[in-house]
This record gives sequence, C-alpha cells and structure tokens, in this order.
Amino acid sequence: KAGVTQTPRYLIKTRGQQVTLSCSPISGHRSVSWYQQTPGQGLQFLFEYFSETQRNKGNFPGRFSGRQFSNSRSEMNVSTLELGDSALYLCASSLEAYYGYTFGSGTRLTVV
Amino acid sequence: DAKTTQPNSMESNEEEPVHLPCNHSTISGTDYIHWYRQLPSQGPEYVIHGLTSNVNNRMASLAIAEDRKSSTLILHRATLRDAAVYYCILRKQTGANNLFFGTGTRLTVIP
Repeated sequence: KAGVTQTPRYLIKTRGQQVTLSCSPISGHRSVSWYQQTPGQGLQFLFEYFSETQRNKGNFPGRFSGRQFSNSRSEMNVSTLELGDSALYLCASSLEAYYGYTFGSGTRLTVV
Repeated sequence: DAKTTQPNSMESNEEEPVHLPCNHSTISGTDYIHWYRQLPSQGPEYVIHGLTSNVNNRMASLAIAEDRKSSTLILHRATLRDAAVYYCILRKQTGANNLFFGTGTRLTVIP
C-alpha cells in the first residue's frame, strides 16, 4: 500500500513569505501529526489532527497552523517565515493513538 | 509529559547483538513504549512498541522491565543497515499525544 506522501520535497522561500505543506496519510489512517526537525532542536512535535480536529498542539508560535480535510489529508501553514523556520518538516499518520506512526520522507524548507 | 533518557551514542560490531537502553521513570499506566529509528536523510521508521510484556517482530525485540521504568531494544544481529539514530518515546493509549522524541541514541555499526 502507498505510504505517507509529502509534497513538495524541497522548498525555498524568502523571509516574510508564507508556505503551505501537504501530507497525504496512508489510506484509512485518521490521525495525522506534524513534526519539525532541525540539527539544533531535533524532532519537535507541532500538532496532531484526528478526524478533522486538532487534538494536540506543541509549543510553537501561532504562525504555525494546520488543518485536516475529510479525506484525512492534512496541510500545515507557516506565515511570516523566519530564517529559523528552515527545517525538515515531517508528517506521520497512524490508525489510532497507540499504533505505530508511519512517517513521510519530509519537506525540506529553506528560508533565505 | 513523561520523557525518556537514552545514551547519546553506542557502537556495535557487525553481526553481533545490540542492546539499546531507555529509561522512562515517570511513565504512566496508559503509556505505550515505542521505538523508532531514523536513517540518514529519511523520516523516522517505526521499529516496535509494547505496553507491559516483551515483544518480538521481524526487526527487533523489546524487553520491558517489570516496573516499566526502563526498556531495552534488542537487535539480534546488527548489520551496517542498522546504523541509525534510535528513539525511544512514550505514546498514550488513547486521545491526544504530545510526543517527545529526545535526542535518541546514534548507533554505529563497525564492519
């Protein structure tokens, strides 16, 4: 079966712009989570969506937002980009809370 | 939120068993213990998870202490492809999850 698909794979944006990243979970998975990975901070939880509702949120500023659609696909948006937002953004899906996550390959965002 | 503690790095010889430890002294009764690994330039990959009993799958074994305050991921025969960062995380049984990956253990496999 198809894995978690993230688009685009690479993105270069300028400070102050906004960006939208997309994630298509495995078919049947209703839980979608987003993570930011940087060399300095490691893997940090952004938010989790379940059945179109944000169920949990990490410690990130309001510039980071997301949503989930009825087909479980999810998007995350970062507004007013800062240089420090340069990172690998990973999406993961799972059947339910206690199941293992399946991660996508990520979107590498570079802010210049 | 319950957190985990792992050694920063470990080394193993190829084809020998590897025991990767994880401490989670503040684990709650509803926390599952999950292990993931991340190979270079890839997203994390699920390895195994368990609640109370030891678990085995084709990738690894998970040994959970009786008091659940620690666990050990066992790779029975390390290969060069097992070189990765291994993360031990806690995941609640139901509802919202605020996961903390920590820094993980970087495993180096020596040929």
